[in-house]
Amino acid sequence: QIVLTQSPAIMSASPGEKVTMTCSASSSVSYMHWYQQKSGTSPKRWIYDTSKLASGVPARFSGSGSGTSYSLTISSMEAEDAATYYCQQWSSNPPMTFGGGTKLEIK
Amino acid sequence: QVQLKQSGPGLVQPSQSLSITCTVSGFSLTSYGVHWVRQPPGKGLEWLGVIWSGGSTDYNAAFISRLSISKDNSKSQVFFKMNSLQADDTAIYYCARNKDYGSAMDYWGQGTSVTVSS
Repeated sequence: QIVLTQSPAIMSASPGEKVTMTCSASSSVSYMHWYQQKSGTSPKRWIYDTSKLASGVPARFSGSGSGTSYSLTISSMEAEDAATYYCQQWSSNPPMTFGGGTKLEIK
Repeated sequence: QVQLKQSGPGLVQPSQSLSITCTVSGFSLTSYGVHWVRQPPGKGLEWLGVIWSGGSTDYNAAFISRLSISKDNSKSQVFFKMNSLQADDTAIYYCARNKDYGSAMDYWGQGTSVTVSS
C-alpha cells in the first residue's frame, strides 16, 4: 500500500505568515486530497484533486504537487486556520490511505 | 441538504461486535458510495472500507476478516459491523460519502465514539 508521510507533524505560525506543509507518497499517485479537522469535529474536505478548493474554503489556501510530492499552502495565516490537516490518496488498489496529519497552531 | 447521521453504541465489550448505522438524506445511495473511517483517541485517520453505489464493497485488508458493510437503498441506510473488538479498536468511527473511485469524501457523519471495555 502507498504510505503518505506528512511534515512537519506540528507547526505554529503567526497571523499573516505564509504556511506550507507537505505530503510525501511512497509511490507516485495521480492526485491528492486534503482534509481539515478541528478538535471534536468531523474532518472536512478542504482541497481535492490536488488543487481544487472545496466550497467555502478561503482563497488564501492552495494545493499543488505531482508524483510523490504534494503540498498545502496558506498565503497568510489566520487564527481560524488552526487545525489538523490530513492528506489522502486513492490512486491505486485499496486501501485508501491517509497521512499522519500536520497540526497547525497559531502563535 | 446532504446529511449523514450515525447511530450506534458507545460501549462494546471485548470480543463482542460493533454495529453502526449511517442514515443518509439529501442524496441517494444508488448514486454515491459510503466509506467508513476511524480515528483512535489523539491519533490520525484510518480507512476501513466502502460500499459502492452498485452494492459492491472494498475493505482494508487489515480488517477484511472481521468487517462487513451492507446497505438498504430504500431506507437510505448503510450498516457497519465489525467483529471481535479489542481495546485498540477504541476510536471514533465515521461514515462519509464520495462520488467515484478516487474522489474525495465530501460529506461526513458526526462520528460515533466507541469504547471497548469490560
